[in-house]
Amino acid sequence: DGGITQSPKYLFRKEGQNVTLSCEQNLNHDAMYWYRQDPGQGLRLIYYSQIVNDFQKGDIAEGYSVSREKKESFPLTVTSAQKNPTAFYLCASSSPTWPYGYTFGSGTRLTVV
Amino acid sequence: QKEVEQNSGPLSVPEGAIASLNCTYSDRGSQSFFWYRQYSGKSPELIMSIYSNGDKEDGRFTAQLNKASQYVSLLIRDSQPSDSATYLCAVNPDRGSTLGRLYFGRGTQLTVWP
Repeated sequence: DGGITQSPKYLFRKEGQNVTLSCEQNLNHDAMYWYRQDPGQGLRLIYYSQIVNDFQKGDIAEGYSVSREKKESFPLTVTSAQKNPTAFYLCASSSPTWPYGYTFGSGTRLTVV
Repeated sequence: QKEVEQNSGPLSVPEGAIASLNCTYSDRGSQSFFWYRQYSGKSPELIMSIYSNGDKEDGRFTAQLNKASQYVSLLIRDSQPSDSATYLCAVNPDRGSTLGRLYFGRGTQLTVWP
């Protein structure tokens, strides 16, 4: 079955540590996205990529970095510069044909300890 | 700034009733619209998409779009306790033929009580 796989499901980060969240898709979608969700808040866009080797900052990119070396993979690194990283992180990809819309991964819940 | 506004709720309806969820958007040129359902602790799942004015029905769900008034709504008929979730409205403001980034509202929390 086609879909998006995020790992790990839960991640604990120590102060000052960088961590990387994995996102892999087998839907053959070009566009991929990373969102952050905080309790009671909507989805906020961190980074997105429309094609391999190209990505753009979203609305809250500070303290995060991404790469897009393969079409299937779009990992997100939460750096130590991100002061409040505790959140639910969602990776998504979008189909270029109707019906459009995102397919989301199951998410990674990151907690600072 | 492209705004998508939803009533945060919570919205509470009895089982069997019609739940009505509303969403307004700021970019008049927006082309396509989506409703996602998100259960607590889970990721959003797409339940409806619409891009033409009028109604679109899929089972117990009806999406309504009025581009002149810049609102899109979701009706859930014969509401069930399993419909209890947060419903996210998303808008694609891109005028091109391919999907760009979506803008999301904060979501409306729906509770259906037995």
